[in-house]
Amino acid sequence: EVQLVESGGGLVQPGGSLRLSCETFGFSFRNFWMTWVRQAPGKGLEWVANIKADGIEKHYVDSVKGRFSISRDDATASVFLDMTNLRVDDTAVYYCAREREGYDSSDYWGRGTLVTVSS
Amino acid sequence: EIVLTQSPAALSLSPGERATLSCRASQSINTYLAWYQQKPGQAPRLLMYDVSTRATGIPARFSGSGSGIDFTLTISSLEPDDSAVYYCQQRYDWPPLTFGGGTKVEI
Repeated sequence: EVQLVESGGGLVQPGGSLRLSCETFGFSFRNFWMTWVRQAPGKGLEWVANIKADGIEKHYVDSVKGRFSISRDDATASVFLDMTNLRVDDTAVYYCAREREGYDSSDYWGRGTLVTVSS
Repeated sequence: EIVLTQSPAALSLSPGERATLSCRASQSINTYLAWYQQKPGQAPRLLMYDVSTRATGIPARFSGSGSGIDFTLTISSLEPDDSAVYYCQQRYDWPPLTFGGGTKVEI
């Protein structure tokens, strides 16, 4: 059974840093693109970043470029999101998702981890 | 950046009725469109990809259509469990991958 489990969320002050982790189970992690999507309280979905199976090609939404970094570790079947210089508007539930092999959708999602940026 | 506009923002229907949800792209996205369902307090769930291909386990009452700019998700006979917010997502021109603002369906 495919599972994705996020962790690392919490309360952080503006300007602070946080590392989110997403541990995966039940599929050949090394063969799949992985994605982070966030959802601010009461708002819609926003794609944040994704990383190719090779770990080299990475993409980000403009609002996080230079502040967030996505990475992966095939040995632990995990994907990470390092967030620095956090802003109040980064407050959201962060979801980790697997990209389908056809790169046409995100077919499995974790339950999410809440990041709150507040003083 | 491709902008997706979903309409209506919300609709309230009765069990057994038909729901028609619209997603319009700011430019042609061919058929590179996916639909997701999100229930309160839950993660999104993939419903449809490539406009009209149902994901694993999605019942046949869900169907998708369209190409280019205009797309539709139809739920042919609503069940109480279909109450959720539905999002479309384009996969044609990225980054960024973009979502529509969502349509809330209340049964």
